[in-house]
Amino acid sequence: QQQVKQSPQSLIVQKGGISIINCAYENTAFDYFPWYQQFPGKGPALLIAIRPDVSEKKEGRFTISFNKSAKQFSLHIMDSQPGDSATYFCAATTTGNQFYFGTGTSLTVIP
Amino acid sequence: KAGVTQTPRYLIKTRGQQVTLSCSPISGHRSVSWYQQTPGQGLQFLFEYFSETQRNKGNFPGRFSGRQFSNSRSEMNVSTLELGDSALYLCASSAQGLSTEAFFGQGTRLTVV
Repeated sequence: QQQVKQSPQSLIVQKGGISIINCAYENTAFDYFPWYQQFPGKGPALLIAIRPDVSEKKEGRFTISFNKSAKQFSLHIMDSQPGDSATYFCAATTTGNQFYFGTGTSLTVIP
Repeated sequence: KAGVTQTPRYLIKTRGQQVTLSCSPISGHRSVSWYQQTPGQGLQFLFEYFSETQRNKGNFPGRFSGRQFSNSRSEMNVSTLELGDSALYLCASSAQGLSTEAFFGQGTRLTVV
């Protein structure tokens, strides 16, 4: 059973637009929900993370929205730039558990 | 502050052989976790070590093993390599564990022929 489901698989956005990536999780015990950005040939880099006691967290152009009752969380990239073109992964975990990644979203920002 | 260092960056092995990959975490970090990344299966968690003890384990066969030394450096070993083990192997270090900020290395690209 896939613990974290991510959509869409790919996304094309115009420069200056908003990119939205969604994830849904199964285990209500998860207490840490990070988002990672990965460029080709590089390891994933932590973008932003949230815990279930808050509904939204913003860092610069990146915002996580968290809906505990729906078991969903999403990444919003405001004012998307060509340099944001990368693969984005959501993930979830809790102490004593495994670390589960979504399947990834390939984002392309068109100039 | 130096980042996470993985060696070697690239490796080619023959089916049936074994391989050992190394990960040096960020200074002061006690948690090292390992991941396998393939186009078909995506990113999958292998295991986590914290202060020389395996604390969490993913759903991989026993051919995949690891260890952590007193200086927090970690090694991952894969025995009896199969073609399907070809992947990018990533390690990440964090101060306290999986539920805290983790920093990834660039990975070791393993090709099994």
